[in-house]
Amino acid sequence: EPEVTQTPSHQVTQMGQEVILRCVPISNHLYFYWYRQILGQKVEFLVSFYNNEISEKSEIFDDQFSVERPDGSNFTLKIRSTKLEDSAMYFCASLSGGYQETQYFGPGTRLLVL
Amino acid sequence: DAKTTQPTSMDCAEGRAANLPCNHSTISGNEYVYWYRQIHSQGPQYIIHGLKNNETNEMASLIITEDRKSSTLILPHATLRDTAVYYCIVRVAYTGNQFYFGTGTSLTVIP
Repeated sequence: EPEVTQTPSHQVTQMGQEVILRCVPISNHLYFYWYRQILGQKVEFLVSFYNNEISEKSEIFDDQFSVERPDGSNFTLKIRSTKLEDSAMYFCASLSGGYQETQYFGPGTRLLVL
Repeated sequence: DAKTTQPTSMDCAEGRAANLPCNHSTISGNEYVYWYRQIHSQGPQYIIHGLKNNETNEMASLIITEDRKSSTLILPHATLRDTAVYYCIVRVAYTGNQFYFGTGTSLTVIP
């Protein structure tokens, strides 16, 4: 069964450093998402991406964040200058866009900012 | 998207059916009911969804009341591996908009 994959599974970085989280969505899906989950809290929406542009973003997704689909398979989330409060699980998801669409999530990247 | 209300936590004995309720009294006609679960800190896992008819798949059954204001997710024979947080989400299908995750129900399956 097709699945969303994410790399790395864990990332430790120093405050102020740039990180890039990578995702490979399901191949025929058209919509891509990033969510985050701070330890013990809800899953929060960050951004959605469709047709090579951002379609929706939350208040969390400020100028420090950017997304890109550099080729036909990868979908990346970049955090330019990490803060301590960026420590969280980051989940990528994709959705087909077809009838009765369902969003499928990757296993997540655990980001720890020191 | 309509708001949902779920109990904070529930217990279920292993091998018994787990019935997880969800209230969505403000649901509109074009909104589907989706259920996801999250085991520990893994990515949310899709379980099932429906519009107004009851649905069943290999994981669970979804019972939606006739007025569509509430639903119940049924895990017919709960196992220890079903211990997870279960999210009920109401959402318009046919769009690419996000899924809103609430706090869900933390289900503990007891041996």
